[in-house]
Amino acid sequence: NAGVTQTPKFQVLKTGQSMTLQCAQDMNHEYMSWYRQDPGMGLRLIHYSVGAGITDQGEVPNGYNVSRSTTEDFPLRLLSAAPSQTSVYFCASSHPRSRTGELFFGEGSRLTVL
Amino acid sequence: GIQVEQSPPDLILQEGANSTLRCNFSDSVNNLQWFHQNPWGQLINLFYIPSGTKQNGRLSATTVATERYSLLYISSSQTTDSGVYFCAVVGRGGSEKLVFGKGTKLTVNP
Repeated sequence: NAGVTQTPKFQVLKTGQSMTLQCAQDMNHEYMSWYRQDPGMGLRLIHYSVGAGITDQGEVPNGYNVSRSTTEDFPLRLLSAAPSQTSVYFCASSHPRSRTGELFFGEGSRLTVL
Repeated sequence: GIQVEQSPPDLILQEGANSTLRCNFSDSVNNLQWFHQNPWGQLINLFYIPSGTKQNGRLSATTVATERYSLLYISSSQTTDSGVYFCAVVGRGGSEKLVFGKGTKLTVNP
């Protein structure tokens, strides 16, 4: 049981480049989400999904796209990277008993945009 | 949307001391969780506690939903307790969004 797996762990991009952060969970969780963490700001919700084919925006969705074609995977796409997107990104999923029950996090992906 | 405030923002303790961290929220909640982020950045769920009291070893948490606050107690602190403690809530407005406070940074010195 691997839990929540994020790749890559580190990435450096140039302004304007695009990339996808991958997230996979093997716990059959319905709820998956992406957060970004910046110094002094806590964790801010980017996008979330309550099941395959269903996604919705969080607090800071601009510049990011998501899709949920399977229960297991929830990739986050940066369409045209900007220095303001330099951050640590966390994927999380929750127990099927409750859509937003105990949340389990991946190890994070540190992104630097030059 | 719902607002979450945590206090204190920073806390420094000597090993063996006890501490209380507070989380205030601005509206009724369906869900409240406490997390610990260790110095390596890993986030671990400590408690799922929308109401009532729970205990897990040296840690316990109490949520008084009617008064819109939750407390996290750490007893006999150890250096491994260092890190940032986050409170996160889901409001009752129908949203599924889990909103985080800005955290309390705890440093436990030997």
